[in-house]
Amino acid sequence: EVQLVESGGGLVKSGGSLRLSCAASGFTFSTYTMNWVRQAPGKGLEWVSSISRSSSYIYFADSVKGRFTISRDNAKNSLYLQMNSLRAEDTAVYYCARDSGYDFPDVWGQGTTVTVSS
Amino acid sequence: EIVMTQSPATLSVSPGERATLSCRASQSVSSNLAWYQQIPGQAPRLLIYSASTRATGIPARFSGSGSGTEFTLTISSLQSEDFAVYYCQQYNNWPPWTFGQGTKVEIK
Repeated sequence: EVQLVESGGGLVKSGGSLRLSCAASGFTFSTYTMNWVRQAPGKGLEWVSSISRSSSYIYFADSVKGRFTISRDNAKNSLYLQMNSLRAEDTAVYYCARDSGYDFPDVWGQGTTVTVSS
Repeated sequence: EIVMTQSPATLSVSPGERATLSCRASQSVSSNLAWYQQIPGQAPRLLIYSASTRATGIPARFSGSGSGTEFTLTISSLQSEDFAVYYCQQYNNWPPWTFGQGTKVEIK
């Protein structure tokens, strides 16, 4: 079964840091671009960051550029999001999502909640 | 950045009735559009990609149409499990992926 499981969320103070992880199973992780998408409470979906199969191409939303870092470890089938200088507006459920290979996400994790207190 | 606009924000429908959801792009996205269903407390689930292709395991009552800037998701006969929020997403020009703000389908 194809599965993505996020972890690492929690409560952090404004200006703090947090590292999210996403464990992949059931597919060949190294052959897929991976992404983070977030959803603020009661709001819609917002793409955060993407990383290509070999980490050669990395992209960020303007709202997180310079504060967040994305990485992956293909040997461990894992995706990461390092979040620094956190703000209240970063409060959201963060989803790990697999790119189908055709530029849209086809598999999503269950999400991990990040709460930034001011 | 391409802006995706969905309408209506909320759609009240009785079980068994048809639901029609709209999504408009601020510029052409060709057929590079996907639809997702999100049940409260759950992750989004891919329904439709390439504007009209159902994802694996998606029932035939879900159909998508459109191209360019105007798209429609139709649920032919609403079942109880279909009451959820639906999002459209363009992947023609990315980054960034951009999503619509969602349409909530509620029980009338």
